[in-house]
Amino acid sequence: AQSVTQLDSHVSVSEGTPVLLRCNYSSSYSPSLFWYVQHPNKGLQLLLKYTSAATLVKGINGFEAEFKKSETSFHLTKPSAHMSDAAEYFCVVSDGWGKFQFGAGTQVVVTP
Amino acid sequence: DAGVTQSPTHLIKTRGQQVTLRCSPKSGHDTVSWYQQALGQGPQFIFQYYEEEERQRGNFPDRFSGHQFPNYSSELNVNALLLGDSALYLCASSSKETQYFGPGTRLLVL
Repeated sequence: AQSVTQLDSHVSVSEGTPVLLRCNYSSSYSPSLFWYVQHPNKGLQLLLKYTSAATLVKGINGFEAEFKKSETSFHLTKPSAHMSDAAEYFCVVSDGWGKFQFGAGTQVVVTP
Repeated sequence: DAGVTQSPTHLIKTRGQQVTLRCSPKSGHDTVSWYQQALGQGPQFIFQYYEEEERQRGNFPDRFSGHQFPNYSSELNVNALLLGDSALYLCASSSKETQYFGPGTRLLVL
């Protein structure tokens, strides 16, 4: 069985400051992990993915995530938030056969 | 290259009715997955189709069924609609492990 927990339901940051979204996972085998973003009334867009290669994964729009097996974490960061980063973010673990388990999501608010 | 497309974009039904949602995968993708996203929640896996067969299924009742056609497009059917079926239904296609999502169909059951 696999599961994912997003530790913050809401995160509020000022424009230009760092963003940290926390995700812990549980998996009985070596997982594949993803971060997706969902803007209002839009579909899900892939930010980045980890598939047992480098533990530090770089994604689009300046986002990156670090896989830490000892902490079972896959936190998402961005050095400097932009107004366009305001959205819902989902951490996802895959069973390797295409069944995605989504976290509950983290709503990011960016203030000027 | 078109991404994943879904139709219709919005739909209103009444309790007890049946609904069919459609999905066309990204070019070159042979696997289609369906998800239900209730308001304020993360998407929940319904099932996945590969080579016209249901390969995996999530914890959804038999009222939810699907089909995949030889051109890899897919349908999601929901029978005997309940108020609780109101949600955004997302389709995702993949060729390996990464899934690419369509914009979704928003279903409202009255």
